[in-house]
Amino acid sequence: ILNVEQSPQSLHVQEGDSTNFTCSFPSSNFYALHWYRWETAKSPEALFVMTLNGDEKKKGRISATLNTKEGYSYLYIKGSQPEDSATYLCAFDYGGSQGNLIFGKGTKLSVKP
Amino acid sequence: DADVTQTPRNRITKTGKRIMLECSQTKGHDRMYWYRQDPGLGLRLIYYSFDVKDINKGEISDGYSVSRQAQAKFSLSLESAIPNQTALYFCATSVIGRTGELFFGEGSRLTVL
Repeated sequence: ILNVEQSPQSLHVQEGDSTNFTCSFPSSNFYALHWYRWETAKSPEALFVMTLNGDEKKKGRISATLNTKEGYSYLYIKGSQPEDSATYLCAFDYGGSQGNLIFGKGTKLSVKP
Repeated sequence: DADVTQTPRNRITKTGKRIMLECSQTKGHDRMYWYRQDPGLGLRLIYYSFDVKDINKGEISDGYSVSRQAQAKFSLSLESAIPNQTALYFCATSVIGRTGELFFGEGSRLTVL
């Protein structure tokens, strides 16, 4: 059974703090790793799709790294803002199509002003 | 206007009733998906379609059926709803390709009494 683990489950930080989350996935049959940001009452939105070991991607204050050999990805948020409050989902693609995406349960981030 | 539109957004129904959730998209994507979100669980794939003539079962297809009426439309049916199908349902689309991210609708919250 393929399993994707995200930690922590939830996180409460103060505005201005930097933070990071972990996504662990099987190190075999890797095809791609997706990160999504899901605000309450809205649609999940893609942040990154990563395919190569050692990949680092950045979008504003958010960045992600990928280690396919050991099966983990980190998502970093620098200088958290209240608008960063959301659930961050990662999804592991093991088969080369989005029909094979396995989602983690997410990390819920709350940023207090 | 949203690129991926789901109707209804909220629905309360009774056990045994037939329910249809509809999804339409203006993104021109060939691939469409139905996911289910339950508290404490990751998004789970119900059905997916890579084009109008291609329908595939996902991880949890029992109790559900789908119809791909056109490239832009993908409907999910619950033939005889049961309480454990109470969940948040998401439709999503994507392009073909390894780095194709998912584009989600805003979700349909279904409650089966």
